[in-house]
Amino acid sequence: QKEVEQNSGPLSVPEGAIASLNCTYSDRVSQSFFWYRQYSGKSPELIMSIYSNGDKEDGRFTAQLNKASQYVSLLIRDSQPSDSATYLCAVNSGGYQKVTFGTGTKLQVIP
Amino acid sequence: DAGITQSPRYKITETGRQVTLMCHQTWSHSYMFWYRQDLGHGLRLIYYSAAADITDKGEVPDGYVVSRSKTENFPLTLESATRSQTSVYFCASRGGLAGTYEQYFGPGTRLTVT
Repeated sequence: QKEVEQNSGPLSVPEGAIASLNCTYSDRVSQSFFWYRQYSGKSPELIMSIYSNGDKEDGRFTAQLNKASQYVSLLIRDSQPSDSATYLCAVNSGGYQKVTFGTGTKLQVIP
Repeated sequence: DAGITQSPRYKITETGRQVTLMCHQTWSHSYMFWYRQDLGHGLRLIYYSAAADITDKGEVPDGYVVSRSKTENFPLTLESATRSQTSVYFCASRGGLAGTYEQYFGPGTRLTVT
């Protein structure tokens, strides 16, 4: 089992819809969770971090964390074509500097 | 400019040659990282450094060497390049505050080994 799992997609949503991206992780002691956006040919860009169970909102983005289910998600409201990118889920396990990345979900927002 | 930079951005080299990829950050971040990104594998950690003169292996360190004599620089050297090291290499950094693990990435170096 991979440490961080994401559906590779592509996930296609119409413009203006809500995009829901999901991620599961295997290490129960994981403490920090991140979502990165990566446009084709570019470097990963941090868009959200979440440390506690529940929801965290930042503009059109909401990160949701459920440590009991080992599940973290990213919701993008009012999706725009400019949101089309690959979204990487990343997880840090406490006591070690390593952040493990998922292989990413490709999101396509259709105008 | 402030931030994290990498050089060169593109490099073509031959099998067996030594190659050094440079990473420079202006944030005075304590931690610096080197990743490679390959299709189907995602980002994999090669080496990381917690401070000047402190480095440690990541997931895929074989064939690579790092050093960190200054806080702002973290070069990655491929001692004898192989075709399997063809990849996109990203440098990242983060601050040293306890409990914060956000990493910020440089623009990447696309390396091709022929």
